[in-house]
Amino acid sequence: SQTIHQWPATLVQPVGSPLSLECTVEGTSNPNLYWYRQAAGRGLQLLFYSVGIGQISSEVPQNLSASRPQDRQFILSSKKLLLSDSGFYLCACPSRGGGNEQFFGPGTRLTVL
Amino acid sequence: SQQGEEDPQALSIQEGENATMNCSYKTSINNLQWYRQNSGRGLVHLILIRSNEREKHSGRLRVTLDTSKKSSSLLITASRAADTASYFCATDRQAGTALIFGKGTTLSVSS
Repeated sequence: SQTIHQWPATLVQPVGSPLSLECTVEGTSNPNLYWYRQAAGRGLQLLFYSVGIGQISSEVPQNLSASRPQDRQFILSSKKLLLSDSGFYLCACPSRGGGNEQFFGPGTRLTVL
Repeated sequence: SQQGEEDPQALSIQEGENATMNCSYKTSINNLQWYRQNSGRGLVHLILIRSNEREKHSGRLRVTLDTSKKSSSLLITASRAADTASYFCATDRQAGTALIFGKGTTLSVSS
């Protein structure tokens, strides 16, 4: 069965500090991978998606970046965090349903102070 | 950009009542999906309805789709306290593309 691990679960960081969030996927190979951000009381905003190792597409301009060093690993980074980067970050991949359903990880709660 | 817009934004009902949430979208779609999110957790897929379908059932869930009005509804029958969560609709324009989510409806079911 599919499993997505996200690390860390929660993070509190000062403005201007770097960021690295990790997502690893099990139970599937060569998946499309997605990073979403959910601000408080808002819906999900797609940040990045990747169709393979080293292939990253950015959906919105921002101070975040993503990398995919391995097939089942997706990393979200920033060199200098902003207050507006606070939110709930979710990693997702296609589920096995075949209808473009997405399977989500447990998320990382980031608070930038 | 967000394509789906759910309403109401918040809904409070008693156990046993039915809950209806609506979703409107702007462009043509391949399919429409509904997801549930418990507080502080990831999203869980509930049901998918294809653009050529009008109604679909899964347990206590009933989803309708009206492509002429670009709208969908999610009905949860005989609600339970455990149904308390946020519900999101999501659309995609083509198979295999990224989903676009609405802002969600927060459902509170009290016992």
